[in-house]
Amino acid sequence: GAGVSQSPSNKVTEKGKDVELRCDPISGHTALYWYRQSLGQGLEFLIYFQGNSAPDKSGLPSDRFSAERTGGSVSTLTIQRTQQEDSAVYLCASSPNPAGGYEQYFGPGTRLTVT
Amino acid sequence: AQSVAQPEDQVNVAEGNPLTVKCTYSVSGNPYLFWYVQYPNRGLQFLLKYITGDNLVKGSYGFEAEFNKSQTSFHLKKPSALVSDSALYFCAVRDMDTGFQKLVFGTGTRLLVSP
Repeated sequence: GAGVSQSPSNKVTEKGKDVELRCDPISGHTALYWYRQSLGQGLEFLIYFQGNSAPDKSGLPSDRFSAERTGGSVSTLTIQRTQQEDSAVYLCASSPNPAGGYEQYFGPGTRLTVT
Repeated sequence: AQSVAQPEDQVNVAEGNPLTVKCTYSVSGNPYLFWYVQYPNRGLQFLLKYITGDNLVKGSYGFEAEFNKSQTSFHLKKPSALVSDSALYFCAVRDMDTGFQKLVFGTGTRLLVSP
């Protein structure tokens, strides 16, 4: 079946512009996660959605970052007034039911470059 | 706070030789542990997980990992390495602290298998 998809695969933007990154999780998965992976670094948790519960936003690095998940499916990560330090690969993952110890399934990522 | 440590930035091994990628963890309570692999320009792929039961866990592509509670380790192993195993490997632990089910990742270990 279809895996997690993300768009665009690559995004180059000028400093100060806003960007939107999209994630389509696996159908039926209730949990959705956003991570950031900077060059040579591990994965940095950004935000987590589980069903209709309030999202866990504890990983968002600043108020320029926000995310929403519409209809319990597609999610959009928005970065306002982008800065060069926002350059990274943004990974989305979904999981059927994390409480059951299920693994997360990752998308291919969006490589964001802020010039 | 839950955490995992991957003490080696890079592991080099010759094809056909056994490989080990190290991971140690620090958690409160019983850990849920995971290994993921990331090939170049790809998202993370799930390899295996430990939740409970046998300490030796078998996963995809011939990989296995041994859970050692006394040493708080979860090392990834493979009896005979392939050049195609060259990739970035991440250990992760489920974060129990917040009540949400996100994963905390290590910084990654790059595995290079030489022909």
